[in-house]
Order: sequence, then structure tokens, then C-alpha cells
Amino acid sequence: AQSVSQHNHHVILSEAASLELGCNYSYGGTVNLFWYVQYPGQHLQLLLKYFSGDPLVKGIKGFEAEFIKSKFSFNLRKPSVQWSDTAEYFCAVNAGLRNQGGKLIFGQGTELSVKP
Amino acid sequence: AAGVIQSPRHLIKEKRETATLKCYPIPRHDTVYWYQQGPGQDPQFLISFYEKMQSDKGSIPDRFSAQQFSDYHSELNMSSLELGDSALYFCASSTGRAHTEAFFGQGTRLTVV
Repeated sequence: AQSVSQHNHHVILSEAASLELGCNYSYGGTVNLFWYVQYPGQHLQLLLKYFSGDPLVKGIKGFEAEFIKSKFSFNLRKPSVQWSDTAEYFCAVNAGLRNQGGKLIFGQGTELSVKP
Repeated sequence: AAGVIQSPRHLIKEKRETATLKCYPIPRHDTVYWYQQGPGQDPQFLISFYEKMQSDKGSIPDRFSAQQFSDYHSELNMSSLELGDSALYFCASSTGRAHTEAFFGQGTRLTVV
């Protein structure tokens, strides 16, 4: 069965620190990979996505992620976090098939707290 | 740009009551997905519809049912509500193409008391 694992449940950083959130997935076929951010009480917002091509993808708000196929990983990075990045971050995968675009398997989420 | 619209945004129901959640997808999106996110949990896929037919089913309780209508909006019907049904319910929509992303609505927060 497909699964997504996020290694860090809660990360606390000071402003301007660098961020890396780990994500590993388990799936044997072609996958699409996503990172979503969820601010408290709000809906999921797409940060970035990987379908194919350059394994280093850039998203909104200065985030980027690198797909390493051999490691089944899709880690999220940001060189310098801001207090406004405080939120929960979800890694997700789908099977990349027709009519499966929104059937996502989510990781457990990582709560990021940025201290001003 | 038009987004996924969910209604209501908040809903309070008592145990054993029934609730209906509505989702209006982005225009020209033919696929709708429902998710349940309990407190402190990751979203769990419930069910999806493509062209008004159920296309996939996840961990949806038998007490819940859903359908997609001719205008592509979808409704999630929840009966015999339990305290554990209290959660944020998200709807997402996408086109039916492969290698595409889904767009999420703002969610409906259901509280069962």
C-alpha cells in the first residue's frame, strides 16, 4: 500500500534559520509529489508539486523541494524562514493516473513553529 | 480565479442527527474528492467522483454517502452522527487528466455535540 512518512512532527526554528522537512514515500509506480501548507484553521494550500522533469522544484513563498527517486524522498527546503511560515506542512503523493489527481495520500504532517 | 466552494463553512449537529455538506468544484473540473481531517490528523481520503460516477472509495463509513450531480457539484450526506465525526471536511476538484493537481476548498468544520 502507498504510504507517506514525514520524519519531523514538530520543528521549532528562529527567524532566518534554514528549514528542511523530510518526506519519504512508498509506492512502486509513477507518482506525483506535493507539499501543502495549512495555516491554523484554514484549508490546504499547494506550496509546490513535482510531476516530471527537473527534480528540483520551486514553489511559492520561497520554498523548494528536491525529488530523489533512488531514495523515494521529496524533502522541502527554505533557506530562511519567517515568522509567517508558522503552519503545518503536509507531504502528499498521488498515483499520477487518470482521475486520480486528487486522491492523495498524506504524510502525518510537520508542525513548524518559527520564533520571531 | 474561481475556486472550490464548500458550504456551510461551519456546522454544529447533535449526536444521531444528519448533516449534508456541499461542494462546488472549479468550472470545467469533472472530478471531486472528499477528505476528512480530524483534530491534529492528516487528511484522509473518503470518496471521489468522476463524471457523476463514484470513481474511488477510501475510508468512508457506511453511515456516510455522497453523490455528484449533473452540474458536477457534490454532496456528502452523513447520518447517525457520532462525536468522532467532528472534523474538518475538505472537498477538492480536478480535471480527469493524469498528472494533474487537485484544488482544495476552504472546508466545512463539523462539530458534533
